[in-house]
Amino acid sequence: KQEVTQIPAALSVPEGENLVLNCSFTDSAIYNLQWFRQDPGKGLTSLLLIQSSQREQTSGRLNASLDKSSGRSTLYIAASQPGDSATYLCAVRGTGGGNKLTFGTGTQLKVEL
Amino acid sequence: DVKVTQSSRYLVKRTGEKVFLECVQDMDHENMFWYRQDPGLGLRLIYFSYDVKMKEKGDIPEGYSVSREKKERFSLILESASTNQTSMYLCASSFPPGPREQYFGPGTRLTVT
Repeated sequence: KQEVTQIPAALSVPEGENLVLNCSFTDSAIYNLQWFRQDPGKGLTSLLLIQSSQREQTSGRLNASLDKSSGRSTLYIAASQPGDSATYLCAVRGTGGGNKLTFGTGTQLKVEL
Repeated sequence: DVKVTQSSRYLVKRTGEKVFLECVQDMDHENMFWYRQDPGLGLRLIYFSYDVKMKEKGDIPEGYSVSREKKERFSLILESASTNQTSMYLCASSFPPGPREQYFGPGTRLTVT
């Protein structure tokens, strides 16, 4: 059974700092990996999706990497801003039927002025 | 822009009541999903549906049922609500298997007293 772990559970950084969020998964037979952002009391917003054949994806100040063989992904946020404060979730889609995602428990990020 | 809507943002019900949570998507997606999100446990899949009138159990289906009579609508039913079903419920939709993202609704915060 796939298990997804995100470390750290919470992170506080000063504005302007570059930071890395980590995600690890136990079963490397994945179809893709997706990073989401969740603001308090709200739904999830998809940030980046990396296919199993890809190594990384970039969107603006965000860069996500994937090392499928080692079961790891990182989300790099450049020049962090207070508006980046949120919980970041990673989710993997297995190669089985359907489009089921297994989620990590998230990293709660706070960017301070 | 994909839109997934949920019938209520906040809901308070009494133990033993029958509860309906509604989800509607406007992008003709075949796949729809219900998750619940609890602190420390992350998002867990309750049920999903590949098509109209088709459903499959997720990881934690006990105490829940679903209905999908129309492609755009996926309902989660709590036959007899219990206090341990107090949670944030999130609906999502996506196209069939492929490099597709899941799109999430804003969530329903259900409290069972």
